[in-house]
Amino acid sequence: QKEVEQNSGPLSVPEGAIASLNCTYSDRGSQSFFWYRQYSGKSPELIMSIYSNGDKEDGRFTAQLNKASQYVSLLIRDSQPSDSATYLCAAVDSGNTPLVFGKGTRLSVIA
Amino acid sequence: AAGVIQSPRHLIKEKRETATLKCYPIPRHDTVYWYQQGPGQDPQFLISFYEKMQSDKGSIPDRFSAQQFSDYHSELNMSSLELGDSALYFCASSLWSGRFGTEAFFGQGTRLTVV
Repeated sequence: QKEVEQNSGPLSVPEGAIASLNCTYSDRGSQSFFWYRQYSGKSPELIMSIYSNGDKEDGRFTAQLNKASQYVSLLIRDSQPSDSATYLCAAVDSGNTPLVFGKGTRLSVIA
Repeated sequence: AAGVIQSPRHLIKEKRETATLKCYPIPRHDTVYWYQQGPGQDPQFLISFYEKMQSDKGSIPDRFSAQQFSDYHSELNMSSLELGDSALYFCASSLWSGRFGTEAFFGQGTRLTVV
């Protein structure tokens, strides 16, 4: 069974610090990885996608992928209180197969 | 930019009633996914459609059915509702790139409460 594992948290960081969120996946066939941000009672919002090994940066967000270690991470620089949310890691093996989500990590940025 | 539209946003039903949730995907997106999310849980995949044909099936109860219509909108039909069906129901859509897993965008969800 395909699984995506995340530390549920909560992860607390001070405002302005770097938040580091981690995710591992079980299916070596997974090719595409996504980070979604979800505020309580709201829908998941796509913030990053990554397909190849290495780093991908978009503004304050950096996604890192290591397929050999089956590990994905998300770094949030200069964390803001508005970043406080649950971050969901998701993996897909190919094409339009459905996302497999981790249980999410709750991030709290303290002002 | 157009997003995924879901209706209704909130729905209250009694046990054993039926409910129909609707989803209008992003224009030109060819794949629709339905997810169920209970309180404090991650989204659980129910069912998906590609080009109006069922493509994948997850943990969808037999009491539920879904379809995608010629205009690409999708409906999730839920019968014999149980208290445990109370959850947020999300629809997501994507455009199949043919290679890597495609980015899926979520609608605002329907909050179903069964009383």
